Amino acid sequence: DIQMTQSPASLSASLGETVTIECRASEDIYSNLAWYQQKPGNSPQLLIYDANSLADGVPSRFSGSGSGTQYSLKINSLQSEDVASYFCQQYNNYPWTFGGGTKLELK
Amino acid sequence: QVQLKESGPGLVQPSQTLSLTCTVSGLSLTSNSVSWIRQPPGKGLEWMGVIWSNGGTDYNSAIKSRLSISRDTSKSQVFLKMNSLQTEDTAMYFCARGEYGYNYGNYFDYWGQGVMVTVSS
Repeated sequence: DIQMTQSPASLSASLGETVTIECRASEDIYSNLAWYQQKPGNSPQLLIYDANSLADGVPSRFSGSGSGTQYSLKINSLQSEDVASYFCQQYNNYPWTFGGGTKLELK
Repeated sequence: QVQLKESGPGLVQPSQTLSLTCTVSGLSLTSNSVSWIRQPPGKGLEWMGVIWSNGGTDYNSAIKSRLSISRDTSKSQVFLKMNSLQTEDTAMYFCARGEYGYNYGNYFDYWGQGVMVTVSS
């Protein structure tokens, strides 16, 4: 199975700050990577797919980048509504696997 | 619009079988794949398995021996059955529509609200 390692596990940032979350795959996943946002009590929502494509309705302050085994999610100008947990997911190989998550809080 | 909704028992006894239903609207099961994904309390996400638009299935090898996914296209429903439940199967269970990535793997653009299943005697 492909292991997805996210860092950091938790993050505290101020409003307006730029935040970056990293995801490392245990082998090359050829940009078959998605990012999700999950707020407490809710189901995950798709933010980014194919490593850098913005999902419909997602604010442009969210962006994804990376290739090979290293990927990142960047949030520009952090808003209060961005407080959530974030997960990466690879869909290059079975079983499709998720990272352990990053919990983003306001400082 | 696309909607998915899970239903099933909230409490299952150890060693028993879990049966869940995902009822979809706004999409056709003969044109879309649907996966089951679970999340233990306070933990991460685990993909369990998928039923493809042609009715074929693929499962996570970690639970393949206990899991079965099927569907009734006339009722727009997808079913999950998992046997030999243990306490570590306590989780929120989600169904989600799969969208195709570069190599036909799936990411998930529509999710149900989830159903919490507790395994306890």
